[in-house]
Amino acid sequence: EAQVTQNPRYLITVTGKKLTVTCSQNMNHEYMSWYRQDPGLGLRQIYYSMNVEVTDKGDVPEGYKVSRKEKRNFPLILESPSPNQTSLYFCASSFSLPFPDVTFFGQGTRLTVV
Amino acid sequence: GESVGLHLPTLSVQEGDNSIINCAYSNSASDYFIWYKQESGKGPQFIIDIRSNMDKRQGQRVTVLLNKTVKHLSLQIAATQPGDSAVYFCAESGASGGSYIPTFGRGTSLIVHP
Repeated sequence: EAQVTQNPRYLITVTGKKLTVTCSQNMNHEYMSWYRQDPGLGLRQIYYSMNVEVTDKGDVPEGYKVSRKEKRNFPLILESPSPNQTSLYFCASSFSLPFPDVTFFGQGTRLTVV
Repeated sequence: GESVGLHLPTLSVQEGDNSIINCAYSNSASDYFIWYKQESGKGPQFIIDIRSNMDKRQGQRVTVLLNKTVKHLSLQIAATQPGDSAVYFCAESGASGGSYIPTFGRGTSLIVHP
């Protein structure tokens, strides 16, 4: 089954404790991205990657890091989480750019930073 | 329509009615549009897409209308069912620097009453 898989689904952590949210897709997609979703604000892009070893900042990159060492994986790293990073996070992928294509989303990771 | 504050616009309908959800997009260069459905606790799911060389496209119980003159997109759901209750949002994309990176709207909450 074609899918984007995120782990964990739920995470509660303390301020300053480094964490990683993993994301994997099995569709051989080149384009992957991370979004956060907050009430009333919709999806805001954190980082995206056009291909292996190619990453770039989205609209709200502060406090986040990413890496793209393999085509299928795109982990999101919070080196020193803060309470304002409490949010619902989605990983997404699509086949290829520059041609427009449907974006597939993971199930989401609900992060709480206390 | 799209949210401009902390709360999503809400559309309440009775089961069996037709629903119309609207979206105003901002970029006149956008040429690919997608509607997504997001159920509570899940990631967004693709519903239907339309390219800018079309003004209407139909799927199963859903129709998307595109008015490029006023930069307006709508999603029509026929014979709405309780399972259609979700947040719906549109996404626009257009070639920018040779790539299509989507921009997502904030969403409209559809509530279907049995």
